[in-house]
Amino acid sequence: DTGVSQNPRHKITKRGQNVTFRCDPISEHNRLYWYRQTLGQGPEFLTYFQNEAQLEKSRLLSDRFSAERPKGSFSTLEIQRTEQGDSAMYLCASTASNYEQYFGPGTRLTVT
Amino acid sequence: GDSVTQMEGPVTLSEEAFLTINCTYTATGYPSLFWYVQYPGEGLQLLLKATKADDKGSNKGFEATYRKETTSFHLEKGSVQVSDSAVYFCALVYAAGNKLTFGGGTRVLVKP
Repeated sequence: DTGVSQNPRHKITKRGQNVTFRCDPISEHNRLYWYRQTLGQGPEFLTYFQNEAQLEKSRLLSDRFSAERPKGSFSTLEIQRTEQGDSAMYLCASTASNYEQYFGPGTRLTVT
Repeated sequence: GDSVTQMEGPVTLSEEAFLTINCTYTATGYPSLFWYVQYPGEGLQLLLKATKADDKGSNKGFEATYRKETTSFHLEKGSVQVSDSAVYFCALVYAAGNKLTFGGGTRVLVKP
């Protein structure tokens, strides 16, 4: 088990473009979370899945954001029509429904 | 809503000094409390946790006690090392498997 992985690690895009990030959780973990972390701040919750069902979405997740977890395995987070305010580190975490969430290394998005 | 407040950093101290990072929370119920650590260039790692009042979490020489009466979960270490230089995040969650609410983080720099 190699832990939670995220790809890409870095993404630079121009404003208005669409981007998609991928998260591969620890294999036996049924819950998967997305958080966003801006510079100097703590992570903020975006959404989470139990298996393939998306159970909660933060109001931070505007209509331009969509997340999926087909077949309850990996997850993708897509941002459409990116804005400069979307620049942040996007973190993925997974858990087997106990308290400890295991975090991936994150995807750093820069919107120019 | 629920929130977590941490002392602002950076905290700079010498090796073998005593470290305290204050954390207080606002919550409507009785959450579980956590400290996560983020070393330079790495993902978030769980440092310690406490799931009910008066519990003490400990790991790697760090300790924190869940104080319901003061809604606090201060992190302490008696003798820090250079390798403890990192950003520390206090967080809460209401039930196993739910989303984490983080504080803003405290950067700690330990000088030799």
